[in-house]
Amino acid sequence: GENVEQHPSTLSVQEGDSAVIKCTYSDSASNYFPWYKQELGKRPQLIIDIRSNVGEKKDQRIAVTLNKTAKHFSLHITETQPEDSAVYFCAASTRYSSASKIIFGSGTRLSIRP
Amino acid sequence: DAGVIQSPRHEVTEMGQEVTLRCKPISGHNSLFWYRQTMMRGLELLIYFNNNVPIDDSGMPEDRFSAKMPNASFSTLKIQPSEPRDSAVYFCASSLIRQYSNQPQHFGDGTRLSIL
Repeated sequence: GENVEQHPSTLSVQEGDSAVIKCTYSDSASNYFPWYKQELGKRPQLIIDIRSNVGEKKDQRIAVTLNKTAKHFSLHITETQPEDSAVYFCAASTRYSSASKIIFGSGTRLSIRP
Repeated sequence: DAGVIQSPRHEVTEMGQEVTLRCKPISGHNSLFWYRQTMMRGLELLIYFNNNVPIDDSGMPEDRFSAKMPNASFSTLKIQPSEPRDSAVYFCASSLIRQYSNQPQHFGDGTRLSIL
């Protein structure tokens, strides 16, 4: 079955610097890769997603890249701000005829230093 | 759009008691997912339904756990009997699955369960 590995598990960056979180997946049939942000005590919320027919997607300070050959994808946050502090989860999903299952990475705790 | 609604938000009960968690998915969504989140194990998929039918329950820890979806707008996750190691935050999420096209999952606010 699908396995998703996420690195690093914790990340601390200076406010204003960039943060990069990397994930690898095992199932070459995976075709959908969402990223979720979870603030302390709250629910995971989708921040950006990418499909396998696209190599890169950007939304303001957030961008995601996908390398299908290497089976890895990354989240890039530029000009980090204190409100970016949270746990970030990557995920990979394969859509079959009647079923769809998302496998989550183990999460990255991002801390932004003032 | 009210989002995914879970109840209760917090539950504290004694070991051995039956616990029932409830979820109302977003109207029009056809898939529903139950997750458990702990510090040690992260976010684990327990079971998911498509059109009210359980598709994959391989994540359900043991026979003490059961889940039902009697209709498109309601699901329950039941633990009987409960044990201290079941203490966790339980999330419900829903999604609209189109043929051969994944869509994002929307999470509820979760139920924080504590078994004493």
